[in-house]
Amino acid sequence: EAGVTQFPSHSVIEKGQTVTLRCDPISGHDNLYWYRRVMGKEIKFLLHFVKESKQDESGMPNNRFLAERTGGTYSTLKVQPAELEDSGVYFCASSQIRLASETQYFGPGTRLLVL
Amino acid sequence: GQNIDQPTEMTATEGAIVQINCTYQTSGFNGLFWYQQHAGEAPTFLSYNVLDGLEEKGRFSSFLSRSKGYSYLLLKELQMKDSASYLCAVRGSGGYNKLIFGAGTRLAVHP
Repeated sequence: EAGVTQFPSHSVIEKGQTVTLRCDPISGHDNLYWYRRVMGKEIKFLLHFVKESKQDESGMPNNRFLAERTGGTYSTLKVQPAELEDSGVYFCASSQIRLASETQYFGPGTRLLVL
Repeated sequence: GQNIDQPTEMTATEGAIVQINCTYQTSGFNGLFWYQQHAGEAPTFLSYNVLDGLEEKGRFSSFLSRSKGYSYLLLKELQMKDSASYLCAVRGSGGYNKLIFGAGTRLAVHP
């Protein structure tokens, strides 16, 4: 079974540009999460989809970030316009059932560098 | 506020035992997870505790005390490949499943 995949693995853009990150969850997983790790800090939650609906977007830093999950399969996270402080590693995770024992499986992350 | 503390770095010798501690203060508790992360790779699930006590999985064990807000990950018979970061994460309550992570403990295993 394929794991969570993310594209691209790395992205280097200039301040003010737009970047779109993609996440393909494990097949059949209704829950999809985005997290971010900024240099030297802990991994922090951004938002949670259940199928195509946003369940919790309390971690989204500001309105420059837009996440979508049309059709309830893959998800995209767009940053527009990108700022220097957006640099970091963006992780996606998915899980199968919405219970306390649910385990989130992580992708390898997209390393974003904003210059 | 929400706070999860774990040591930044640890070193150990191949074949030895190491214990990585994690203390947490969160608004609600609905389980604690340990993940392993090698540099540049995805965090990989190791263990889950929601009740007090010890969960054993081969060379890895994890312990939880909810009253003390404390967990540890125990790694036995250390191997070089165990050199990695170990992330402690707590799931809060309230029907939301987001994980709150500590900053991670970088473990270096030496021959």
